[in-house]
Amino acid sequence: DGGITQSPKYLFRKEGQNVTLSCEQNLNHDAMYWYRQDPGQGLRLIYYSQIVNDFQKGDIAEGYSVSREKKESFPLTVTSAQKNPTAFYLCASSKQKTGNTIYFGEGSWLTVV
Amino acid sequence: AQSVTQPDIHITVSEGASLELRCNYSYGATPYLFWYVQSPGQGLQLLLKYFSGDTLVQGIKGFEAEFKRSQSSFNLRKPSVHWSDAAEYFCAVGLGSSNTGKLIFGQGTTLQVKP
Repeated sequence: DGGITQSPKYLFRKEGQNVTLSCEQNLNHDAMYWYRQDPGQGLRLIYYSQIVNDFQKGDIAEGYSVSREKKESFPLTVTSAQKNPTAFYLCASSKQKTGNTIYFGEGSWLTVV
Repeated sequence: AQSVTQPDIHITVSEGASLELRCNYSYGATPYLFWYVQSPGQGLQLLLKYFSGDTLVQGIKGFEAEFKRSQSSFNLRKPSVHWSDAAEYFCAVGLGSSNTGKLIFGQGTTLQVKP
């Protein structure tokens, strides 16, 4: 089935460690996104990529990094520079066309211990 | 600056009752508007979207929404709520052609359904 796969679903990290969240899509979508969700808040955009080998910062990019080496993959690294990394992370994708629907993965929970 | 406001953080309705979730946006151009639903610990599922044309939009699961430009609103409605509709609902604005996919989300409304 086509869709967006995020892994792992749950991840625990010690303070000072980097961690990478995986996002893979088989929808043949051009654009991919990472959003962060905190309790009681809406989603905030971290990074997005409209084509391979190119990406742009969203509203809260500090402490995060991404890569887009393949169309299907858009991993997110949460670095030790991110001061408050505990959150729910959602990957999304869409065709690169105005008004196209954005589809979301099932999310990854990151807890810093 | 663009923004989306969902005035109701939490709503409780009885099963079978009607539902209206409010959404107001601030955006200078014609907006692309979305409603998503999220079950606990899950991703977001699209309920419906408005891009242009008929201002009354039908979605999945019996939901509909009406775009009112004069009120900058895009309220979500359902005539009869089912217990399975209990979830969190997000309204979002898309920022247009050069920013496809960059959505601004409201803070969400949690719907509780009483038996």
